[in-house]
Amino acid sequence: EDQVTQSPEALRLQEGESSSLNCSYTVSGLRGLFWYRQDPGKGPEFLFTLYSAGEEKEKERLKATLTKKESFLHITAPKPEDSATYLCAVPFLTNGGSYIPTFGRGTSLIVHP
Amino acid sequence: DSGVTQTPKHLITATGQRVTLRCSPRSGDLSVYWYQQSLDQGLQFLIQYYNGEERAKGNILERFSAQQFPDLHSELNLSSLELGDSALYFCASSVHRIGTGELFFGEGSRLTVL
Repeated sequence: EDQVTQSPEALRLQEGESSSLNCSYTVSGLRGLFWYRQDPGKGPEFLFTLYSAGEEKEKERLKATLTKKESFLHITAPKPEDSATYLCAVPFLTNGGSYIPTFGRGTSLIVHP
Repeated sequence: DSGVTQTPKHLITATGQRVTLRCSPRSGDLSVYWYQQSLDQGLQFLIQYYNGEERAKGNILERFSAQQFPDLHSELNLSSLELGDSALYFCASSVHRIGTGELFFGEGSRLTVL
């Protein structure tokens, strides 16, 4: 069964304390893995797309990596403004032939000053 | 600013009522997706339209319906509302037809059913 699972559910860090968020997936034929950031009361904001194992993408303090079973979002020396919920999404194939971006439950990150 | 506009931002109504949520996609995007987000369920896919035609359906209740108009804006209609329908409803748009590209989300419509 196609699944997207994120861990941990919540993460508290001190400013400057690096860490990683995990997104594991089960899908036949990966058609991309997407990371989004969501601030409270706002819509998710697209961060990265990864398509193949070994691929890496970076943006400021964030780096996303991909293996055949999971993706990691590494946060280096985080700042309080990095506090948000981070969502990953994987397109799953429907019976009608369309791919639907299916989201994990997210990791809620709080960075304390 | 994602370029996706949703109205209204907040809506409070009573059980049994009907509401309509509106979404204008980014300029040039033909795909519109509707998602429901509640605290216990996360982001749940409801329905997708591409250039006016329904492309995919998720776990959308029969009391809910949607359409995409010739100008590409979309409306999500929720009827016979129940307390459990209280949630954030997001619209997202994409240039891709089959759901393998990034989505651009609106700010959402927060529905409260009393």
